[in-house]
Amino acid sequence: ETGVTQTPRHLVMGMTNKKSLKCEQHLGHNAMYWYKQSAKKPLELMFVYNFKEQTENNSVPSRFSPECPNSSHLFLHLHTLQPEDSALYLCASSQAPQDRSLYGYTFGSGTRLTVV
Amino acid sequence: SQKIEQNSEALNIQEGKTATLTCNYTNYSPAYLQWYRQDPGRGPVFLLLIRENEKEKRKERLKVTFDTTLKQSLFHITASQPADSATYLCALEGYSSASKIIFGSGTRLSIRP
Repeated sequence: ETGVTQTPRHLVMGMTNKKSLKCEQHLGHNAMYWYKQSAKKPLELMFVYNFKEQTENNSVPSRFSPECPNSSHLFLHLHTLQPEDSALYLCASSQAPQDRSLYGYTFGSGTRLTVV
Repeated sequence: SQKIEQNSEALNIQEGKTATLTCNYTNYSPAYLQWYRQDPGRGPVFLLLIRENEKEKRKERLKVTFDTTLKQSLFHITASQPADSATYLCALEGYSSASKIIFGSGTRLSIRP
């Protein structure tokens, strides 16, 4: 385990469903991120939270809604998704910028999402 | 637009040889360049970071070089082993704490016994 835990590991949902992805870290990191990874494409940054405040929304459709109740937990709420949203969704965390050079980003194992 | 290219989608080499992966970038002046390893069905794992004023960094069997003139990083695994088989991602980050990190698509490395 990396210290960043994501649940569930796999999720199959219909286009009319509502579901949530959960991410948890107890590494003392201040920043948390959601990334989308599709086959043969680079990781796409979706959202950034720094000290619980959203600092970036990378033009993500509103059917994806993040929530960060505290610096250890991050959620991604999903509703009315499309089949092209099927991908691996990765959560990551990082230290303060001056410490990132030592440790980089710590990723969870991801949630494999399939929209049917 | 900013772009990262990793040399090839897949690389196949014989156990014991040195694997060399390439990361080229355009339209970016990174402060840091990072390398990650990703196994199937798992998230990327941080391996090494090199700063723009560093030419080379080593960690055990890994060596990374960074040439800001060529806009290129090379990632070497010496005495490669089948357990090194994975996808390797490079990533760039700027100076500002608000800068985005951008990732390459990765190179899938296979080490055959």
